[in-house]
Amino acid sequence: DTEVTQTPKHLVMGMTNKKSLKCEQHMGHRAMYWYKQKAKKPPELMFVYSYEKLSINESVPSRFSPECPNSSLLNLHLHALQPEDSALYLCASSQAEGNGELFFGEGSRLTVL
Amino acid sequence: AQSVSQHNHHVILSEAASLELGCNYSYGGTVNLFWYVQYPGQHLQLLLKYFSGDPLVKGIKGFEAEFIKSKFSFNLRKPSVQWSDTAEYFCAVSFYNQGGKLIFGQGTELSVKP
Repeated sequence: DTEVTQTPKHLVMGMTNKKSLKCEQHMGHRAMYWYKQKAKKPPELMFVYSYEKLSINESVPSRFSPECPNSSLLNLHLHALQPEDSALYLCASSQAEGNGELFFGEGSRLTVL
Repeated sequence: AQSVSQHNHHVILSEAASLELGCNYSYGGTVNLFWYVQYPGQHLQLLLKYFSGDPLVKGIKGFEAEFIKSKFSFNLRKPSVQWSDTAEYFCAVSFYNQGGKLIFGQGTELSVKP
């Protein structure tokens, strides 16, 4: 089992829907990450939060909106997504940004119809 | 831009065979090195890591990796694979000169036949 918890595990949404993915960790880590992973491909970094502030945005379209309410929680708000956004969305955390040793959640599998 | 390459896209082995998966990274000064494994339907898990010290590192489940600085390589090895090792393996490198951002290789799918 992983110590990074993601909900929901599966999500199906239409292109006009608004939904959110949630991530929680209680390891005291101060950096949290969102990655996108397509089948048989490596994870692609989307966002990094360090001490609850957005540190890195890898030129992600604005239809993805991250939020870090506190040091344990990370959300990804989704709006007006495209079918090509269907993927596994992974949350990860590390002791600090740049530490490199990431702990991953099981992911939220998103299907956009 | 810094990059990480894994030599093999798909490796098929019989049980008890030896395994070596290649990983090379572009020159970028000081690095931290990792191998992650993703079993079917499961989350990414850390197999082993190298930060400094002995270049031969041992990880979980009998895996080991050797950092060869002169070759910019960090190959993963296991003397005798099991069917349960069937998974996707990702090499990842954290480059100090990129703020420690973790860059993944393309992954190697390992299939072990019983």
